[in-house]
Amino acid sequence: DTEVTQTPKHLVMGMTNKKSLKCEQHMGHRAMYWYKQKAKKPPELMFVYSYEKLSINESVPSRFSPECPNSSLLNLHLHALQPEDSALYLCASSQDWSGTEAFFGQGTRLTVV
Amino acid sequence: GENVEQHPSTLSVQEGDSAVIKCTYSDSASNYFPWYKQELGKRPQLIIDIRSNVGEKKDQRIAVTLNKTAKHFSLHITETQPEDSAVYFCAASERGTGGSYIPTFGRGTSLIVHP
Repeated sequence: DTEVTQTPKHLVMGMTNKKSLKCEQHMGHRAMYWYKQKAKKPPELMFVYSYEKLSINESVPSRFSPECPNSSLLNLHLHALQPEDSALYLCASSQDWSGTEAFFGQGTRLTVV
Repeated sequence: GENVEQHPSTLSVQEGDSAVIKCTYSDSASNYFPWYKQELGKRPQLIIDIRSNVGEKKDQRIAVTLNKTAKHFSLHITETQPEDSAVYFCAASERGTGGSYIPTFGRGTSLIVHP
C-alpha cells in the first residue's frame, strides 16, 4: 500500500465552526507533514511530525491544531478559521531518512465562508 | 533554511519539443532533489529524483542533472506530449531544526504542451 489517504476530499465551513481533517498512511513512514497550497503556488509547510512528536511548527496560527494519535494517523483540527485560510490542505509522509520521497495525499479542498 | 529558486514560471512548447526547467538551491547540506508533477486539482506526484552523490539520472523521456558545486539541478523532458502539461515543482531536501528531512519547494513551472 503506497497511499496516503485524506478525508474529507472537500469541506465547507463557517468561521465559527470546528472541523478536523484526517490523514492516514500504512507504509510505516515515521515522518508526516501538513502542507497548505493556494492556487498556482507551491505547497507551503505547516507542521512536521517525526516519530509521532511535533518537530516543526512553521509559525502557524493557533486556529490550526495538529495531532498525531499514532504512527499511521495525522489530524488537523480547525477552529475559527478565516476566509483566507481557504486552500488545498495536503498531508504527506516519508521514511524520514536522508534522500527519501515524500508521498502526498490527494488533499482536502477547504472553503471557509 | 533552504531557499529554492525555479525558472521559468511558465513554459510553452510544441508537442515533440524538449522542455527544460532549472532550479537552484542555497544550502549545501541539501542532499536529495525530487521533482513533482501536479495536474490540475490533483496531488503532487514524484516523477524523478536525484541524490547528491549522483550527477545525472534518466527515466525514459525524463532526465535530471545535478551540479553540486554550482548548486543547481535541472529537469529535462524530451519528446513532450500534451499529457505532460502540468505544474512541475522542484524541491531540495535538508535536515530541519527538528531533525526531520524537509523538502523545500520551488515556486513551480506551468508547462503547456500544444498539440
